[in-house]
Amino acid sequence: GENVEQHPSTLSVQEGDSAVIKCTYSDSASNYFPWYKQELGKGPQLIIDIRSNVGEKKDQRIAVTLNKTAKHFSLHITETQPEDSAVYFCAASRDYGGSQGNLIFGKGTKLSVKP
Amino acid sequence: DAGITQSPRHKVTETGTPVTLRCHQTENHRYMYWYRQDPGHGLRLIHYSYGVKDTDKGEVSDGYSVSRSKTEDFLLTLESATSSQTSVYFCAISRTGDPNQPQHFGDGTRLSIL
Repeated sequence: GENVEQHPSTLSVQEGDSAVIKCTYSDSASNYFPWYKQELGKGPQLIIDIRSNVGEKKDQRIAVTLNKTAKHFSLHITETQPEDSAVYFCAASRDYGGSQGNLIFGKGTKLSVKP
Repeated sequence: DAGITQSPRHKVTETGTPVTLRCHQTENHRYMYWYRQDPGHGLRLIHYSYGVKDTDKGEVSDGYSVSRSKTEDFLLTLESATSSQTSVYFCAISRTGDPNQPQHFGDGTRLSIL
């Protein structure tokens, strides 16, 4: 089955710097890759996602890149702010031809942005 | 917010007792999911539902059962709770079962089994 590896497990940056979180996946048939942000005491919140027919997607300070050949995808946060501090999860799923393809999550990255 | 309410938000109980967690949605989404979140494991799927009375197992379903008698409610039951089931449980919903459709999460239930 699918396996998603996420690195690093913790990341500390200065406010204004960029942060990059990387994930690799094992199932070459995976075709959907969402990223979630989880704040303390809250559920994961979808912040951006990418599908396999796209190599990059950007939403303001957040971007995601996908390299299907290498089977890895990355989250990029530019101009980080203290409110970006949270745990970030990547995930992957595949289309089973109409039936449910379940999300497989990475183990998370705790991002700390220091003022 | 995605219109998902989980109850209770916190619960402490003893080993061997039955426990039921409830997920209620106001979005009329067809798919609902139960995950557990543990340190070092991320989020793992327990069970999911693709319609009223239609459910299936996920990655870590042993010791859990689910029911969905109405579109808006998805119940997770631990028939006889064990300490290994101490975790934070999250419900998620999706408009369709298409893997390319995003899942949206509730704020979780923290369950402690002593």
